[in-house]
Amino acid sequence: DAGITQSPRHKVTETGTPVTLRCHQTENHRYMYWYRQDPGHGLRLIHYSYGVKDTDKGEVSDGYSVSRSKTEDFLLTLESATSSQTSVYFCAAAGDPNQPQHFGDGTRLSIL
Amino acid sequence: GEDVEQSLFLSVREGDSSVINCTYTDSSSTYLYWYKQEPGAGLQLLTYIFSNMDMKQDQRLTVLLNKKDKHLSLRIADTQTGDSAIYFCAEKTGANNLFFGTGTRLTVIP
Repeated sequence: DAGITQSPRHKVTETGTPVTLRCHQTENHRYMYWYRQDPGHGLRLIHYSYGVKDTDKGEVSDGYSVSRSKTEDFLLTLESATSSQTSVYFCAAAGDPNQPQHFGDGTRLSIL
Repeated sequence: GEDVEQSLFLSVREGDSSVINCTYTDSSSTYLYWYKQEPGAGLQLLTYIFSNMDMKQDQRLTVLLNKKDKHLSLRIADTQTGDSAIYFCAEKTGANNLFFGTGTRLTVIP
């Protein structure tokens, strides 16, 4: 949808290891978002970006960092993964805050 | 944070209408959205309504908004088996945040 690709689609790793998830978009959208989806919680915002090198925290940002060096790429990093970060992660993008967000297909991350 | 509530499950027979309900707490919502999620996929935008509207119709989909009661509904006419999915409502309040409900799993019985 809206040219948003997430990689990897699935990852299994161990507690304490660093993990980076990538979101790539081809629509030149200025705004990009990272969410996590957990049972009973719907989607919750982790971090978002409103331009190259411009990012801000969301509702559940602890333990996560992001970077945006190019308009098309938004990276989510878990510096030292914990089991509580096992989740499905979704990236979204929008041209401006008043436009609907369009989502990628998600990354299923398991931390053992 | 904002609280967006949905019932967890809904079952309907093929050909009947489905009504999925959502309540929210923040009266300053600007836009309200309905997304559909099929297994293993991301969220697909179905429709959205601006907060100064009462109703929006788009083919088989009708969205009703009652701002006084902070209640949003999505009606799917002539529900088909391909409509089986999880449906999320979401409200946009501030500049950059969407608050999602927990999703309603719609099962369509042939």
